[in-house]
Amino acid sequence: EVQLLESGGGLVQPGGSLRLSCAASGFTFSSYAMSWVRQAPGKGLEWVSAISSGGTTYYADSVKGRFTISRDKSKNTMYLQMNSLRVEDTAVYYCATIATSLLGFQWYFDLWGRGTLVTVFS
Amino acid sequence: QSALTQPPSASGSPGQSVTISCTGTSSDVGGYNYVSWYQQHPGKAPKLMIYEVNKRPSGVPDRFSASKSGNTASLTVSGLQAEDEADYYCSSYVGSHKSEFGGGTKLTVL
Repeated sequence: EVQLLESGGGLVQPGGSLRLSCAASGFTFSSYAMSWVRQAPGKGLEWVSAISSGGTTYYADSVKGRFTISRDKSKNTMYLQMNSLRVEDTAVYYCATIATSLLGFQWYFDLWGRGTLVTVFS
Repeated sequence: QSALTQPPSASGSPGQSVTISCTGTSSDVGGYNYVSWYQQHPGKAPKLMIYEVNKRPSGVPDRFSASKSGNTASLTVSGLQAEDEADYYCSSYVGSHKSEFGGGTKLTVL
């Protein structure tokens, strides 16, 4: 079964750190670009970060310098290291695949995980 | 505040059609054919419904269609069914290897 499974969410105080994981199964993870998208409680979706199959990384301005996306092809897993967390980072974090072609990212998210909740509280 | 503007709500009766708009600028929606639409039911993950402006993934009913004119993209749901009641989000590439989502539209089937 094709699947993405996030883990690592939890409660953390402002200024703290957390590392999220996204385990992929059922498809050739190494060939896919991946992304993190978050959703604050009762709010809309927000793109957070993306990583190409080759490891090139991209970030939204709201998290650049604080979050680091990475992947381990041997473990079929993507990560999001979140440092200097703020109350406004509270959200469900989804991982998703990004479709790609020979032209590069096609910038749509076709497979999604169920999400993991990060709560930053003071 | 989202760069892509969607109406907060839309509604229609079963069998009717409803159209949801997504307005951006020439730097995002108008500048690229990388507009996609997602359906999200409460407590669930988003689901891709449309990609590259008007293409439907396998398994998405042909009641869902989409288009783009200038800086505005549109999603139309025809033959509304109860299960179409959900939140809908547009997304667009905005350049510099970044993406943005619209604020979302809550579709109510009356």
